[in-house]
Amino acid sequence: AQSVTQPDIHITVSEGASLELRCNYSYGATPYLFWYVQSPGQGLQLLLKYFSGDTLVQGIKGFEAEFKRSQSSFNLRKPSVHWSDAAEYFCAVGSGQKLVFGQGTRLTINP
Amino acid sequence: DTAVSQTPKYLVTQMGNDKSIKCEQNLGHDTMYWYKQDSKKFLKIMFSYNNKELIINETVPNRFSPKSPDKAHLNLHINSLELGDSAVYFCASSQDRLAGFQETQYFGPGTRLLVL
Repeated sequence: AQSVTQPDIHITVSEGASLELRCNYSYGATPYLFWYVQSPGQGLQLLLKYFSGDTLVQGIKGFEAEFKRSQSSFNLRKPSVHWSDAAEYFCAVGSGQKLVFGQGTRLTINP
Repeated sequence: DTAVSQTPKYLVTQMGNDKSIKCEQNLGHDTMYWYKQDSKKFLKIMFSYNNKELIINETVPNRFSPKSPDKAHLNLHINSLELGDSAVYFCASSQDRLAGFQETQYFGPGTRLLVL
């Protein structure tokens, strides 16, 4: 069965520092991969997605993610975080007609 | 304008009661979904409807019954509420069923259900 693992439950970084959130997936075929962000009290918003082509994907809010088939990973990065980036981040893989989500990584930003 | 809206935002109720959560989307999308997010933030799909037709029905208790009066609305009715039903329930919508998950899903703000 398809699955997504986000190894880090909680990450804290300082404002202005770089960020990398890890995501590993288990999927038999070419995966369709997504990153969503959930701000406190809000629904999920799509940051970026990968279907095919260039393995480095650009998203909204200055985020990017890189698909590495050999490592079954789709890590999310941002060169310099802002206080407004504090949120819960979810990685997901498309399976059939549905999304399978990881358990999320909570990002805290230190001033 | 809110794209995907849910009511109520908070719902506190006693065990054994029956309750409904409403969802509406004004995006003109064909497909709508219900997800459950548990206390550990784990998010899992429950149901999906396309043009009022049920297309995904995950393994959820029969006490949960989705109802889609039209393609802009997908309501979730829960009978005989149990403590374990406490969670955040998210509604979502996407443009085209045939594209499946390839279409971006737009999420509502969630309904926080607490069963006492």
